Amino acid sequence: DIQMTQSPSSLSASVGDRVTITCRASQDINNYLAWYQQKPGKVPKLLIYAASTLQSGVPSRFSGSGSGTDFTLTISSLQPEDVATYYCQKYNSAPHTFGGGTKVEIK
Amino acid sequence: EVQLLESGGALVHPGGSLRLSCAASGLSGLTFSTYAMSWVRQAPGKGLEWVSGIIGGDGGGSITYYADSVKGRFTISRDNSKNTLYLQMNSLRAEATALYYCAKNILTGSYSANYYFYMDVWGKGTTVTVSS
Repeated sequence: DIQMTQSPSSLSASVGDRVTITCRASQDINNYLAWYQQKPGKVPKLLIYAASTLQSGVPSRFSGSGSGTDFTLTISSLQPEDVATYYCQKYNSAPHTFGGGTKVEIK
Repeated sequence: EVQLLESGGALVHPGGSLRLSCAASGLSGLTFSTYAMSWVRQAPGKGLEWVSGIIGGDGGGSITYYADSVKGRFTISRDNSKNTLYLQMNSLRAEATALYYCAKNILTGSYSANYYFYMDVWGKGTTVTVSS
C-alpha cells in the first residue's frame, strides 16, 4: 500500500507568517490528493482536492500544489482561526490513506 | 445541504460486534443512492484513519473497499430507501476504539477497478469503545 508522510508533525508560527506543510506519497498518485483541516474538538473539513483546487468557501490564503509524490499546503498569512491539525489524503486507489497530520499553533 | 448523523456507537467487549448507522438528510432518496460514502475513524488523540468506502450509482452498492486493518471483519453497506449507510463491525479489538465518522464522497472518476473519491461532508461521529 502507498504510505503518506507529512512534515513537520507540528509547527508554531506567528500571525501573518507564511506556513508550508508537505506531504509525500511513497508512490506516484498523480494529483489525487486532498487536504483537510480539523480544528480542536471539531469535525474535519475539506480544504483542497485534486492537489490544488480550493473547496468552495475556503479562504484564498490556503493553497495547494504538487503532483506525483510531493505535495504542499501553504497558508499565505496565518490567522488565529487557522489553529488546527491538517491532514493530506490520497484518493487514487484504496486504501484512501491519510497522512499523520500536522498540528499548527500560534507562536 | 446534506447532513449526516451517525449512531450505534457503544461500549463493547473484545470479540464483540456492533453496527453503526449513518442517516443522511437534506437530499432525496435517489440522490443518496448515487453518492459514494466512507467511514473514517479517529482513535483518541490520534490522526484520521480511512476505514471503508462504498460506491453509489447503478450497481455501485456492491463495490466496496476496506483498510487492511479491518478487511474480513468489517462490512460496509447501504439502504438507499432509508438514506442510510451502515458499518457492521465484528471480532472487535481494543484498537478499534475510536470516534467513527461517516462521510459523503465526491466521486471524480474511475479507471479499471479504482474509483477516485474524497470526502466533502462529514458527520459529527459516534464513539466506539472496545474494552473488557
